[in-house]
Amino acid sequence: EAGVAQSPRYKIIEKRQSVAFWCNPISGHATLYWYQQILGQGPKLLIQFQNNGVVDDSQLPKDRFSAERLKGVDSTLKIQPAKLEDSAVYLCASTMSRGPTYEQYFGPGTRLTVT
Amino acid sequence: DAKTTQPTSMDCAEGRAANLPCNHSTISGNEYVYWYRQIHSQGPQYIIHGLKNNETNEMASLIITEDRKSSTLILPHATLRDTAVYYCIVRLTSNFGNEKLTFGTGTRLTIIP
Repeated sequence: EAGVAQSPRYKIIEKRQSVAFWCNPISGHATLYWYQQILGQGPKLLIQFQNNGVVDDSQLPKDRFSAERLKGVDSTLKIQPAKLEDSAVYLCASTMSRGPTYEQYFGPGTRLTVT
Repeated sequence: DAKTTQPTSMDCAEGRAANLPCNHSTISGNEYVYWYRQIHSQGPQYIIHGLKNNETNEMASLIITEDRKSSTLILPHATLRDTAVYYCIVRLTSNFGNEKLTFGTGTRLTIIP
């Protein structure tokens, strides 16, 4: 079974530029999560999708961050304009949403450096 | 979700059992204890979870105290590949499988050759 795919793996941009990350969850997984992980900290949830609907985006900085999952499969996370404090690893995870599900499957992440 | 407290770091000799403690004194009756780990440059990986009873799988054992206020993750024969940050998380689990995880800073476990 293929895992959660993310691209790119690394990205370096200057502040005030824009950037987009892509995530392809495990086939059949209806729930998709984006997390931000700043160096030395645990991952923090940014947004959660159920199919193509948003379940929780309470911690997403909506003035600069946006995310979409138009067809309920792939998802993109965008930052525009980027700030220095956005330097972090952006992790995508997915789960099935039928029956009790205990395990979130994470992708390898995209490491963003804002200079 | 209940908060957890874990030591910042621990060392363990290769081949020995690694015992990672977690305090979750405010856990409620229907919250589960989950453990994930994150190896360097990878995404977190699920290890094990439990509610009240001790649990064991191919990766680890989870011991939960009777009052459920603390737990211990046991890696029975630690190898160098077990070097990682280990996160203890408590959360509700429904039949919809879509609950979010709230990560703390975890325990950085270093396996020493």
